[in-house]
Amino acid sequence: IVLTQSPATLSLSPGERATLSCRASQSLNSYLAWYQQKPGQAPRLLIYDASNRATGIPARFSGSGSGTDFTLTISSLEAEDFAVYYCQQCYNWPLTFGGGTKVEIK
Amino acid sequence: EVLLLESGGGLVQPGGSLRLSCAASGFTFSTYAISWARQAPGKGLEWVSVISGSGSNTYYADSVKGRFTISRDNAKNTLYLQMDSLRAEDTALYYCAKGIRASGPFDYWGQGTLVTVSS
Repeated sequence: IVLTQSPATLSLSPGERATLSCRASQSLNSYLAWYQQKPGQAPRLLIYDASNRATGIPARFSGSGSGTDFTLTISSLEAEDFAVYYCQQCYNWPLTFGGGTKVEIK
Repeated sequence: EVLLLESGGGLVQPGGSLRLSCAASGFTFSTYAISWARQAPGKGLEWVSVISGSGSNTYYADSVKGRFTISRDNAKNTLYLQMDSLRAEDTALYYCAKGIRASGPFDYWGQGTLVTVSS
């Protein structure tokens, strides 16, 4: 299953809303996760099963979608949110990740 | 506190072998599937392999099938990845990651161990 993330780069200012997209080559039901990765760090799970926030994740992060089209929304960007975001399908083997979206400071 | 600590990375020549280890603590190790994932320098994430909690089920990415072998020792709370016939394209930071389910997602990750395949 191929996951296509868009855009590749998102340039925004703190306080703005970020909308990240992940499109799958076939239906995933709702078995999609989102991760955040900062330089030099391991990925951190944000959202699983399309819309469930992982433990300790702030409410400004939300996920939506099902089937082949999914969205990660950050309602109001904070300084620590500038990072790379990956989606991952957990529906079928082999597990696959999207290519990532970099959210950078404008 | 859940901790995953990888070790065993290093520089190896093409065609060589390496065994990675992942020491786990802070959870009931035998209950959870654990995966290996990797990240080539400056690139995205790639899932490599998974093993079920009992060790009876394993899956591999096509890119490593037949060359890598995942295993675990539940008495030692340790995961392994035996890597044979290494290629330059296997150069990456290798992470172990604990799955919420066998097919993920991964709620805890180690900090990674670097494998460099070069002559």
